[in-house]
Amino acid sequence: AQSVTQLGSHVSVSEGALVLLRCNYSSSVPPYLFWYVQYPNQGLQLLLKYTSAATLVKGINGFEAEFKKSETSFHLTKPSAHMSDAAEYFCAVSDQGTNAGKSTFGDGTTLTVKP
Amino acid sequence: DARVTQTPRHKVTEMGQEVTMRCQPILGHNTVFWYRQTMMQGLELLAYFRNRAPLDDSGMPKDRFSAEMPDATLATLKIQPSEPRDSAVYFCASGLGLAGYNEQFFGPGTRLTVL
Repeated sequence: AQSVTQLGSHVSVSEGALVLLRCNYSSSVPPYLFWYVQYPNQGLQLLLKYTSAATLVKGINGFEAEFKKSETSFHLTKPSAHMSDAAEYFCAVSDQGTNAGKSTFGDGTTLTVKP
Repeated sequence: DARVTQTPRHKVTEMGQEVTMRCQPILGHNTVFWYRQTMMQGLELLAYFRNRAPLDDSGMPKDRFSAEMPDATLATLKIQPSEPRDSAVYFCASGLGLAGYNEQFFGPGTRLTVL
């Protein structure tokens, strides 16, 4: 079974500082990986996804993530945090085959941005 | 701009009452998911459908929950009878579901409070 582990349920950074949210995956097949963001009182929305085309994936709002097979990681980064980045972030791995499109989500990481 | 819609957005009811939540997936999407989100349990998959057929509802309490897709434009999640522990935000998501790299599109959620 596929799974993801998000290290750190809460991350706090200062405005302008580097954002690093960690995600490690477990998969028996080459994975499809996603990062979603959830702003308060909203549903999740896609930030970016890895589909094996390129190991460095760029997403919306200046976020990017790098797929590292040797480390089974897909960490999310942003060079400079904005106040508007405060939200909950979810890493997910997608099933393939008969369950294609079904994703297993991590427990989420709440990002706080301090002025 | 295609979106998943959910009604109602908020629902307050008393224990023992029936609750029905509705979801309109994005036109053309063939996969629909129901999730429940609470502070304690995080994001849980309750059920999902492909081409209106239920593929997995193992996450759903069978004695009180039921999920259906009467047609391709409507998915419903029903709780009967409701209990205070059902208080949560319920999300519907839809996707193409043709391959593992297809992301999910989430609705805004229904916030349910059972008194």
